[in-house]
Amino acid sequence: DTEVTQTPKHLVMGMTNKKSLKCEQHMGHRAMYWYKQKAKKPPELMFVYSYEKLSINESVPSRFSPECPNSSLLNLHLHALQPEDSALYLCASSRSAHDGTYEQYFGPGTRLTVT
Amino acid sequence: SQKIEQNSEALNIQEGKTATLTCNYTNYSPAYLQWYRQDPGRGPVFLLLIRENEKEKRKERLKVTFDTTLKQSLFHITASQPADSATYLCALYNQGGKLIFGQGTELSVKP
Repeated sequence: DTEVTQTPKHLVMGMTNKKSLKCEQHMGHRAMYWYKQKAKKPPELMFVYSYEKLSINESVPSRFSPECPNSSLLNLHLHALQPEDSALYLCASSRSAHDGTYEQYFGPGTRLTVT
Repeated sequence: SQKIEQNSEALNIQEGKTATLTCNYTNYSPAYLQWYRQDPGRGPVFLLLIRENEKEKRKERLKVTFDTTLKQSLFHITASQPADSATYLCALYNQGGKLIFGQGTELSVKP
């Protein structure tokens, strides 16, 4: 199974809402990632988890809060978002973090719209 | 500053021809370079990885070259098909251990 799953596929939320994005992989990968992608732009790294510990936070605003409950699951908790946070949020995993020899497997993404 | 540039935002070619996409980088010394394909509204899909000591890598109709002197990678799709139409992203690991993507080239293969 080389699949990364993400739920929900689409999410519309108001600026005062709290919601969560979920990501799951069963490939035994020890690194998991959150990326944000705007239209016609490349994915931008937000967070990296290595062995369930946060290893990189790309100066992401605190209204985005990642969580890695176990090696297969990754969550992104959202609170008090702004309209400019509307984007495609991609989860990815790889066998190891910080190692360019390993490719990343991406999920299909969650299309987030903040109203 | 560190930059990754892909030669064009869009490339249109005729079916059956070879598509050549370019990825140039400055102020990096990557040991590995990766290429991904992304379809609209979907996540990127890994295609090929090439190491700095490899000049060329092939997979079916795909070929990647890596010239560390020119700081450039070329990505070729031979005998292109309309199904190859997608955005192609090059990516490399920087010293901080992060995968950094170029802005992508949108390839359109016309029948």
